[in-house]
Amino acid sequence: TQLLKQSPQFLSIQEGENLTVYCNSSSVFSSLQWYRQEPGEGPVLLVTVVTGGEVKKLKRLTFQFGDARKDSSLHITAAQPGDTGLYLCAGEPDSWGKLQFGAGTQVVVTP
Amino acid sequence: NAGVTQTPKFQVLKTGQSMTLQCAQDMNHNSMYWYRQDPGMGLRLIYYSASEGTTDKGEVPNGYNVSRLNKREFSLRLESAAPSQTSVYFCASSIDSGGSEAFFGQGTRLTVV
Repeated sequence: TQLLKQSPQFLSIQEGENLTVYCNSSSVFSSLQWYRQEPGEGPVLLVTVVTGGEVKKLKRLTFQFGDARKDSSLHITAAQPGDTGLYLCAGEPDSWGKLQFGAGTQVVVTP
Repeated sequence: NAGVTQTPKFQVLKTGQSMTLQCAQDMNHNSMYWYRQDPGMGLRLIYYSASEGTTDKGEVPNGYNVSRLNKREFSLRLESAAPSQTSVYFCASSIDSGGSEAFFGQGTRLTVV
């Protein structure tokens, strides 16, 4: 059973549309990370959120950390085909060093 | 900059064979990790090493062993491969634990027949 639950599992949208990906847990995290993975590659870090209620923006990507530090969301505005990829959230819930990942959301943006 | 280097990139094993996946990082990171990635399951932690000289089990350690050879190297061994271990394996490292960015290798695609 994975500690971090992501939804939806798969999202297919047209270029220019907006989308939101969710990462939820019953555990409190000191921080959460979001990664993007492209086929044949390892995941690459997009952002780390640390403070409850924090909002971070990375160009058209907006990341939010829940007030209770149990959940996070990733919102993409005006999605482009280059945003296609597997989006993963990750965190260390309790044991020091035990970085765990959600199952990921596969995002496909078609022109 | 090499970052995290994994070898081999591809491997086919017969059931019962053994092999070791090698991982080395050149970023002077303290923490290293081994994950497996299966469709619909995301990345699942097999073993991790929070610092040199320590290793600990992750979510799915059965059938695997690890060795933190030194600060740079963290190997994963399959003693008797099974078809259920067919997967893509990723090694990662971070400067330390507690929310530090993890850097990943390019993965090893392992098929057990």
